[in-house]
Amino acid sequence: DTAVSQTPKYLVTQMGNDKSIKCEQNLGHDTMYWYKQDSKKFLKIMFSYNNKELIINETVPNRFSPKSPDKAHLNLHINSLELGDSAVYFCASSLGRGAQFFGPGTRLTVL
Amino acid sequence: TQLLEQSPQFLSIQEGENLTVYCNSSSVFSSLQWYRQEPGEGPVLLVTVVTGGEVKKLKRLTFQFGDARKDSSLHITAAQPGDTGLYLCAGELLTNAGKSTFGDGTTLTVKP
Repeated sequence: DTAVSQTPKYLVTQMGNDKSIKCEQNLGHDTMYWYKQDSKKFLKIMFSYNNKELIINETVPNRFSPKSPDKAHLNLHINSLELGDSAVYFCASSLGRGAQFFGPGTRLTVL
Repeated sequence: TQLLEQSPQFLSIQEGENLTVYCNSSSVFSSLQWYRQEPGEGPVLLVTVVTGGEVKKLKRLTFQFGDARKDSSLHITAAQPGDTGLYLCAGELLTNAGKSTFGDGTTLTVKP
């Protein structure tokens, strides 16, 4: 059974395009996150939602917009993609605070 | 400056050897987690520690949370090739509950 799933697994696109990454969790968790992992493997939080409400919004360009239609879903839309957006994006979820369960990641390559 | 600093950054050892990975900070954490990430996959939770001085064991892995809750260590006994991966510590600051900060990771390679 898939706990946290993300689609797509790979995303290759041109600069300037708009793209979305979807995330779903079936763990019954109330908190979901988006992380960006760069080429040096550093994992940095971008956003966090608790019960569909935004609770963490790190210094992320306005081109990134998360949307949580319900507790089980947290999607990430990116406008006007730039070369520096290339990275692996991870969705995660948790029950309250602390330990998080991660999705398999979406490798975004901007050409 | 990283809030959580891990050392060493890279570690390459032979099967059967022991090793320790450290996760240090000058800040106090309400809880700390260790994760292992394999290539092409997301981090997988290994353990959560919450009490200062706490020691938890998971088969050949021993995790310790510092008395002051500012640091943690992961010790692996008789490492196996299957232990190869990126080990990440993550902590939730006492003063910023709900937000986990990740360390910069330790890449472990265990050679057969």
